[in-house]
Amino acid sequence: AQSVTQPDIHITVSEGASLELRCNYSYGATPYLFWYVQSPGQGLQLLLKYFSGDTLVQGIKGFEAEFKRSQSSFNLRKPSVHWSDAAEYFCAVGATNNFNKFYFGSGTKLNVKP
Amino acid sequence: GAGVSQTPSNKVTEKGKYVELRCDPISGHTALYWYRQSLGQGPEFLIYFQGTGAADDSGLPNDRFFAVRPEGSVSTLKIQRTERGDSAVYLCASSLYNTDTQYFGPGTRLTVL
Repeated sequence: AQSVTQPDIHITVSEGASLELRCNYSYGATPYLFWYVQSPGQGLQLLLKYFSGDTLVQGIKGFEAEFKRSQSSFNLRKPSVHWSDAAEYFCAVGATNNFNKFYFGSGTKLNVKP
Repeated sequence: GAGVSQTPSNKVTEKGKYVELRCDPISGHTALYWYRQSLGQGPEFLIYFQGTGAADDSGLPNDRFFAVRPEGSVSTLKIQRTERGDSAVYLCASSLYNTDTQYFGPGTRLTVL
């Protein structure tokens, strides 16, 4: 069965510093991969997605992620964090043979220090 | 355009009661999904509709949970004989096709006392 691991429950970075949030998945074939962000009281917003092709994908708000098959990873990065990026981030995988069922990680809560 | 909407935003009920949670998907989206998000966890898949039919209900935890989508648009998640363990945020998402990106609503926070 598919599963997603986000090893960092909480991360704190200073405003302007770089950010990397880790995501590892378990799936036999090439998965569909997503990063969502959830701000308090808000719904999940899609940041970016990987289906195929270029393994480095660009998303909204200056985020990018890189799919590394050899490491079963899909880490999220941002070169310079803004205070408004403080939120909870979820990695998700959709199986290629059952795309409609997403499996989510348990999330990483990002705090941004001024 | 309008996103996915869910009502109510908050629902408090007593153990043993029946509740209904409503989801209005984005207009024209044929696929609709329900997830449950417990405190400190990521969303957990419950059920997926393609049109009016439940194409995959493998995530429903037991027979107290039921969902319908009679006209292929609005969906209602129904929970009978609520238990304290049902307390969670219930999220709805929709997508244009079943292989497209899912767009999420703000959720309904259900509290069972």
